[in-house]
Amino acid sequence: DQQVKQNSPSLSVQEGRISILNCDYTNSMFDYFLWYKKYPAEGPTFLISISSIKDKNEDGRFTVFLNKSAKHLSLHIVPSQPGDSAVYFCAASAPGTYKYIFGTGTRLKVLA
Amino acid sequence: DSGVTQTPKHLITATGQRVTLRCSPRSGDLSVYWYQQSLDQGLQFLIQYYNGEERAKGNILERFSAQQFPDLHSELNLSSLELGDSALYFCASSVASGVGGYTFGSGTRLTVV
Repeated sequence: DQQVKQNSPSLSVQEGRISILNCDYTNSMFDYFLWYKKYPAEGPTFLISISSIKDKNEDGRFTVFLNKSAKHLSLHIVPSQPGDSAVYFCAASAPGTYKYIFGTGTRLKVLA
Repeated sequence: DSGVTQTPKHLITATGQRVTLRCSPRSGDLSVYWYQQSLDQGLQFLIQYYNGEERAKGNILERFSAQQFPDLHSELNLSSLELGDSALYFCASSVASGVGGYTFGSGTRLTVV
């Protein structure tokens, strides 16, 4: 049972436009969410996080939105740059579980 | 360099064999996590150690085992290897509970032939 789902395996966006990556989860106990970015031949790197007490967190060009009632979060990248081309994973954690459940990833391609 | 070191980077072995993957966590981190990424799959949580003790277990096969040593490095042992065990194995570390996220190593690519 996939508790964290990223239903779009890939996404292509023009440079300068907004990239929106989506993530859905099924476990209402999840209270902390992360986004990671992964380049080929490298490990995932932390991008941005959000706690369930917030509905938005912003860091430069990256903003994560959380809709708890819909069990949905999204990552917005504005403006998108070619260097943002990577695989993006969302991850969620429930209190006391000491682990993050990752989605299957979305491959973002930003076209110059 | 994330500070988390995984060796070897690549490993090719035959079915039925046993391999050991090694991870050195970032300095100061007490928790180590192991994840498996198969083709087109997300990162599947295998197991977590905190300061030498197992803290959480995921979908780890009985053929797989891990441990964390007093110097905090960790090893993931995979035995009776099957073709389906071919994957990227990532180690990550965090200071304690990992609430704020982990730091990942660059992974070990295991190919079973």
